[in-house]
Amino acid sequence: GENVEQHPSTLSVQEGDSAVIKCTYSDSASNYFPWYKQELGKRPQLIIDIRSNVGEKKDQRIAVTLNKTAKHFSLHITETQPEDSAVYFCAARTGYGGATNKLIFGTGTLLAVQP
Amino acid sequence: GAVVSQHPSWVICKSGTSVKIECRSLDFQATTMFWYRQFPKQSLMLMATSNEGSKATYEQGVEKDKFLINHASLTLSTLTVTSAHPEDSSFYICSASRSSAGELFFGEGSRLTVL
Repeated sequence: GENVEQHPSTLSVQEGDSAVIKCTYSDSASNYFPWYKQELGKRPQLIIDIRSNVGEKKDQRIAVTLNKTAKHFSLHITETQPEDSAVYFCAARTGYGGATNKLIFGTGTLLAVQP
Repeated sequence: GAVVSQHPSWVICKSGTSVKIECRSLDFQATTMFWYRQFPKQSLMLMATSNEGSKATYEQGVEKDKFLINHASLTLSTLTVTSAHPEDSSFYICSASRSSAGELFFGEGSRLTVL
């Protein structure tokens, strides 16, 4: 089955700096890679996603890159702000429809943005 | 985005009792829902895939007789933790998507504490 590894587990940056979180996946058939932000005690919220036919996607301060050959994808947050502090999870999904259409999550990264 | 609602948001029960958690898609029909469990400071671990009108598909290591899943309609899936024990205390989150290739939306989560 799919296995997703995420690094680093914790990341502390100064306000205004950039933050990068990296993930690798094992199943070459995976085709959808979302990133979620989770604040303490709350549900995960989708912040950006990318599909396997795209190499990069950007939404304001957030960008995601995908390297299918190496089977890794990264989240880039620029001009970080204290409100970006949260736990971030990457995920990978294999296939379309049915039981194969399930998201497997990475281990999470606790991002702390110091004011 | 789509709305997925979960109830109850938190529950405390005595060891040996059973607890039912409901997951509803409020504005769309979901033939498939997913149940995750999240222990403190850990990632979301997929427990099972809930299929409308058929048996759930459980992930390896998840006891199907302990975690009963029923997906009786296109908008409701329930997870029943039977004979709960303190080690079952966790944050249980359901999720659903409008389509097999679409974004996954999460419920608010249910925090279970077993005394």
